[in-house]
Amino acid sequence: DAKTTQPPSMDCAEGRAANLPCNHSTISGNEYVYWYRQIHSQGPQYIIHGLKNNETNEMASLIITEDRKSSTLILPHATLRDTAVYYCIVRAYFGNEKLTFGTGTRLTIIP
Amino acid sequence: DAGVIQSPRHEVTEMGQEVTLRCKPISGHNSLFWYRQTMMRGLELLIYFNNNVPIDDSGMPEDRFSAKMPNASFSTLKIQPSEPRDSAVYFCASKTQEMNTEAFFGQGTRLTVV
Repeated sequence: DAKTTQPPSMDCAEGRAANLPCNHSTISGNEYVYWYRQIHSQGPQYIIHGLKNNETNEMASLIITEDRKSSTLILPHATLRDTAVYYCIVRAYFGNEKLTFGTGTRLTIIP
Repeated sequence: DAGVIQSPRHEVTEMGQEVTLRCKPISGHNSLFWYRQTMMRGLELLIYFNNNVPIDDSGMPEDRFSAKMPNASFSTLKIQPSEPRDSAVYFCASKTQEMNTEAFFGQGTRLTVV
């Protein structure tokens, strides 16, 4: 699976949009981009995933660049409960089922 | 569904003792994963099963660790003998075998070996 690079930490004001970047310059055509988050002392939680089109669900939006070498997770109206470590993961569409977690971005929502 | 259920939530044991961690996946899920999380190494995949069969155990640190899945609704991770460096939070996760579905994680077991 391709490697991802994320900033180690970010702050965002409560109520504002949080934009979390991820670089995956070695991504291949059959690899999806997944985002999970881990709130303190809890297990990781799935947020969203995509291949090449932008995706939106009730939690977030995922914007993938046209060349697919980077993506941005957007939390449109951040709340204090969104404070967590966010992981960007690249995984092949088929084959190995495992998710390989990197170090992620520690997002802190400031009141 | 109650989600992935792990037990115990906390375990404190003495070095040299056997430790068994338990996991009940979500009903209908046929893939199960065991992860370990420490400050130094982050989240590491130890082993995963498809349809109760171990598929990839390359992350299992050494022979002291073993995992079993006797049926679709139960898995164990055993450490024998335990060592202080095994102290970590151990997570179990499950998912369906359909492509590109999400994995659901349990709340974890915090293991402390003294």
